[in-house]
Amino acid sequence: DTGVSQDPRHKITKRGQNVTFRCDPISEHNRLYWYRQTLGQGPEFLTYFQNEAQLEKSRLLSDRFSAERPKGSFSTLEIQRTEQGDSAMYLCASSLVAIRETQYFGPGTRLLVL
Amino acid sequence: SQELEQSPQSLIVQEGKNLTINCTSSKTLYGLYWYKQKYGEGLIFLMMLQKGGEEKSHEKITAKLDEKKQQSSLHITASQPSHAGIYLCGADYDTNAGKSTFGDGTTLTVKP
Repeated sequence: DTGVSQDPRHKITKRGQNVTFRCDPISEHNRLYWYRQTLGQGPEFLTYFQNEAQLEKSRLLSDRFSAERPKGSFSTLEIQRTEQGDSAMYLCASSLVAIRETQYFGPGTRLLVL
Repeated sequence: SQELEQSPQSLIVQEGKNLTINCTSSKTLYGLYWYKQKYGEGLIFLMMLQKGGEEKSHEKITAKLDEKKQQSSLHITASQPSHAGIYLCGADYDTNAGKSTFGDGTTLTVKP
């Protein structure tokens, strides 16, 4: 399977714990995006990378959130001191940079903070 | 998203009927994308539209972009239960692409 993969698919954690999600993009894609989606809403942009450089971060991304893409391949999204409001689906997408690029999404990681 | 409005919010149709979903932008569009999502899963890319008047089809799904109205429509002909899901439109508001802004989706139910 050469699509975008995400791990884990589901995560249940207690409030105050740290969690880390991983995204593996399509191999030749140089852009990688993180979005968050809550029930009944469309995905909301969090951040994106071009190769290993983080080019933009949303103001939704508080200081408890950090994302990395150290070698320009896979990416991790870490949430520290989780809160119940962090419960959501975290989606990763990748694309090949062009004038107009199609983003291909992974299956998502569903986070539940108790 | 307040920038991208989808209508209707939900739709129930009988199998075999045609249907249309609309996506209206409050800002100038540089690219418009349609995705389908099954509950609890990721988004599946359907089509991308860039130019006003552009129309694309895939199997029984057709999407059009009206540049004047900054609006796109997604039309499904002879709906089937396999068409059920959440349809999301996404927009590029930047000439240099990058992040996309999404509507809140239209939930389609197809009754056999």
